[in-house]
Amino acid sequence: KQEVTQIPAALSVPEGENLVLNCSFTDSAIYNLQWFRQDPGKGLTSLLLIQSSQREQTSGRLNASLDKSSGRSTLYIAASQPGDSATYLCAPNAGKSTFGDGTTLTVKP
Amino acid sequence: GAVVSQHPSRVICKSGTSVKIECRSLDFQATTMFWYRQFPKQSLMLMATSNEGSKATYEQGVEKDKFLINHASLTLSTLTVTSAHPEDSSFYICSARDGPILGSYNEQFFGPGTRLTVL
Repeated sequence: KQEVTQIPAALSVPEGENLVLNCSFTDSAIYNLQWFRQDPGKGLTSLLLIQSSQREQTSGRLNASLDKSSGRSTLYIAASQPGDSATYLCAPNAGKSTFGDGTTLTVKP
Repeated sequence: GAVVSQHPSRVICKSGTSVKIECRSLDFQATTMFWYRQFPKQSLMLMATSNEGSKATYEQGVEKDKFLINHASLTLSTLTVTSAHPEDSSFYICSARDGPILGSYNEQFFGPGTRLTVL
């Protein structure tokens, strides 16, 4: 059974700071891995999808990396903004997506 | 990207009644759909996987007689919460995959979720 761990559970940073969110998973036989953000009381917003054959994906200020063999992924957020405040979830997909508990990010103005 | 819709977005019902939630893939055929549940301040937990035309596969601990899943077409899956109780109050999110064959490029697309409140 896939187990997903996200560290840290919560993070508070001042605006403008660069930050890294970490995700580890136990079953490395994945097809892809997605990073999502979830605002309070809302659904999921897909941020980045990394296929198992890829090492990283970039979208704007976001960069996600994947080390499939070691079961790790990171989400790098550059020049953080208050609008980035949300819970970030990673979901490796080995046939079905399994979610971590998320990292709740607060970016202070 | 592909779009998945859910209806209703929010529902309030009395204890003991049944509630049906619809999940539709709007611009692609979804051979496989997934239902997740999210309790407050917790992550998404997979409840069941459904393939079009066959019975759903439920995760351990999920009562199949309480959470009825029907995936009768390639664009529609329904989740019926039978005899709902307050502890069933949760955020239910469906997801659809646009391909029957597992492969690197089969992304799961997520619906916006349905918030169920049972009084």
